[in-house]
Amino acid sequence: AQSVSQHNHHVILSEAASLELGCNYSYGGTVNLFWYVQYPGQHLQLLLKYFSGDPLVKGIKGFEAEFIKSKFSFNLRKPSVQWSDTAEYFCAVSTNAGKSTFGDGTTLTVKP
Amino acid sequence: GAGVSQSPSNKVTEKGKDVELRCDPISGHTALYWYRQSLGQGLEFLIYFQGNSAPDKSGLPSDRFSAERTGGSVSTLTIQRTQQEDSAVYLCASSLVGTDYNEQFFGPGTRLTVL
Repeated sequence: AQSVSQHNHHVILSEAASLELGCNYSYGGTVNLFWYVQYPGQHLQLLLKYFSGDPLVKGIKGFEAEFIKSKFSFNLRKPSVQWSDTAEYFCAVSTNAGKSTFGDGTTLTVKP
Repeated sequence: GAGVSQSPSNKVTEKGKDVELRCDPISGHTALYWYRQSLGQGLEFLIYFQGNSAPDKSGLPSDRFSAERTGGSVSTLTIQRTQQEDSAVYLCASSLVGTDYNEQFFGPGTRLTVL
């Protein structure tokens, strides 16, 4: 069975700081990888996804993530965060069978 | 249709009562998930339906929890004899397995409060 580990439970940054949120997964086969975001009071929504090709994936709002197969990692990055990036971020892995597994989430607080 | 819808949006109940939560997935989506999100906690997987296959119930926390999906569309999550620790936001998501690489679309959730 697959599992997902997010290393940071709560991250606090000042505006313009760089962000990297760690995500490692455990699964031996082909996976699809996702980052979802939940802004305060809003639905969970897709931030970016990887399924094949270029391991550096770009998503909305300047976010990107890099798939490193040898490390089973899919870390999320943003060069310069904004106050509006304050949200909860979830990493998820899905196999071709369809079932997805989510990490426990990382709460990002950006101080203005 | 538009997106995933859930009803009710809020439910307050007394300890020991049964509750039913409803999810209407995006039309044509074959996969449906239920999750629970408690305050300050991550997403807790509850149950997964995929087409006509037997559901994956491995995440249901106790036998007080059950879910069904009728006609491959609408799903109902039932909690019997509710306890205070059942208070949480219950999220439903659907996806079209095999395309879009299983991206999940989430509903707004049902906030359950057990007094």
